[in-house]
Amino acid sequence: RKEVEQDPGPFNVPEGATVAFNCTYSNSASQSFFWYRQDCRKEPKLLMSVYSSGNEDGRFTAQLNRASQYISLLIRDSKLSDSATYLCVVTGLPGEYGNKLVFGAGTILRVKS
Amino acid sequence: DTGVSQNPRHKITKRGQNVTFRCDPISEHNRLYWYRQTLGQGPEFLTYFQNEAQLEKSRLLSDRFSAERPKGSFSTLEIQRTEQGDSAMYLCASSLVGYGYTFGSGTRLTVV
Repeated sequence: RKEVEQDPGPFNVPEGATVAFNCTYSNSASQSFFWYRQDCRKEPKLLMSVYSSGNEDGRFTAQLNRASQYISLLIRDSKLSDSATYLCVVTGLPGEYGNKLVFGAGTILRVKS
Repeated sequence: DTGVSQNPRHKITKRGQNVTFRCDPISEHNRLYWYRQTLGQGPEFLTYFQNEAQLEKSRLLSDRFSAERPKGSFSTLEIQRTEQGDSAMYLCASSLVGYGYTFGSGTRLTVV
């Protein structure tokens, strides 16, 4: 079983739609959680961190459920520019691999006009 | 110094040849990481350095792979006797302890 699992998609949505991505992780001791965005043939870039209390950044809302080991990302009012691969990321145990990031395989989002 | 720099951006090599990639991290970052990403997958951890010390290596890093960070600044990743399965994007990232990563643009390796 992979450490971080995501639905690969693709999710094809019209502009203005609301779309949600989910992710599960297997290591209950994981400390930190993130969503990264990756455009085609580019490097991953941090979209937002994820906290148990939930956090919002403009049209993006992230949520963590530690009990279920589940992370979500909600995108409201989708824009064409949101088209990308969204990577769910957790960190390893404290001190393990210098806080290495463990990535899911990514969920592809395509927003169409 | 505006970010993490990786060279070359692209490399095409014949099977069996050796290749070396370079990463220049953000200057004040003491941690440097190498990841590998194949098509349709997320990046996979290969190894990391804190200053010049290589503190951890993934099982993905076979004996044909070696990484160095001789003065705690830039790093090199060498692959000996390349195989077609080595074709991937090799990503370097740097960070300060306790802070987030910054990734470089990657080196795309194609082994023919």
